[in-house]
Parts: sequence; C-alpha cells; structure tokens
Amino acid sequence: KAGVTQTPRYLIKTRGQQVTLSCSPISGHRSVSWYQQTPGQGLQFLFEYFSETQRNKGNFPGRFSGRQFSNSRSEMNVSTLELGDSALYLCASSSSGTGNTEAFFGQGTRLTVV
Amino acid sequence: AQRVTQPEKLLSVFKGAPVELKCNYSYSGSPELFWYVQYSRQRLQLLLRHISRESIKGFTADLNKGETSFHLKKPFAQEEDSAMYYCALISSGSARQLTFGSGTQLTVLP
Repeated sequence: KAGVTQTPRYLIKTRGQQVTLSCSPISGHRSVSWYQQTPGQGLQFLFEYFSETQRNKGNFPGRFSGRQFSNSRSEMNVSTLELGDSALYLCASSSSGTGNTEAFFGQGTRLTVV
Repeated sequence: AQRVTQPEKLLSVFKGAPVELKCNYSYSGSPELFWYVQYSRQRLQLLLRHISRESIKGFTADLNKGETSFHLKKPFAQEEDSAMYYCALISSGSARQLTFGSGTQLTVLP
C-alpha cells in the first residue's frame, strides 16, 4: 500500500508569509502527527490529530496550526513565517494512534524561509 | 515532562565490531520505547520497539527501568548499518506524542 505522502517536497517562502503543508496518511490510518526537524533542536512534536480532532499539541507558538479532514488527510499551516521556521517538516500516520502502534513517516517537506 | 537523551552525536566503529548506541529517558509513568532509523536519503522508519522484544537486522534493545535506559546493541556491525538512529518514547494514554532523542549518527568503517 502507498506510504505517507507529503506535498510539496520543497518550499521557499519569505519572512511574513504564510504556508500550508499537506500530508496524506496511509489508507486506513486515522492518526496523523506532525514534527519539525532542525539540526539544532532535532525532532520536535508539533501536534497530533485523530478523527479530525487535535488530541495533543507540542510547545510551539500559535502561528503553527493544523487540521484534519474526514478522509484523514491533514494540513499544517504556519503564519507570519520567521527565519527560524526553516526546517524539515515530517508527518507520521498510525492506525489507532494509541498504544504501541507503529508510526509511519513521510519524506517530509523542506521549508526554507528567506 | 518526558525526555530522551542520546549522549553521542557521532559514533564510529569498524565492520565486525560490536556497537552500542546509548539512550536514557526520564518519564514518570510507564513508557513505551522505540528505536527509529534513518538511512541516507530514506525516510525515518521504525527499527524496533521494546514491547516486541524482537531482534531486527541483528539489533536488540533492552529496557532497563532501574537505569532508565534503552540502549541499542548489535554484536557485529555491518557497513549498511551506517545511519542516523533516534531513540523515542511515547507516553502511555490516549494521545500519541513521540518524544525523540537528538539522534546518533553511526558510521561503520570498512
């Protein structure tokens, strides 16, 4: 079956703009999580959605938001971009979102803010 | 708050030598621990989880609750093991939040 798909793969934006990233989970998976990966901070949890509801949120400012649609696809939005938002954004899907279920990662969207 | 520490950013070993990647965690409850691996130009993928007590690609990891450690070990390293390794934990309960360590870049030399 198809893996987790993230679009676009690369983005270049200027400071102050806003951006929307998309994640299509594995078919049948209802949980989608988002992570920010940077050389300095490593992999940091942004938020998790399950059945269109945000269940958990990491320690990021309100400029970072997301949503999940009825088909489990998820989008992440970052408003008023800052240079420090430059990172690889990963999404991961899992079947149940609880317990010891494996998270499958996408290849990421590389965002560069100039 | 939960935290995962991987003390080594870089680790190099020779092919055929044993390898151990260290991972320590802090969490007040009963954690579920994982090792994820990212090979060059590939996506992050699960290597193993403590609850399965399995050996994957020759790697094993034992949860030591007394030492709050979950070190990854392999008796004989292979060149194809060269990759970035992340230790991660997930809190028990309904919310799924993986907390990752900073990662260890393993290089297996010929």
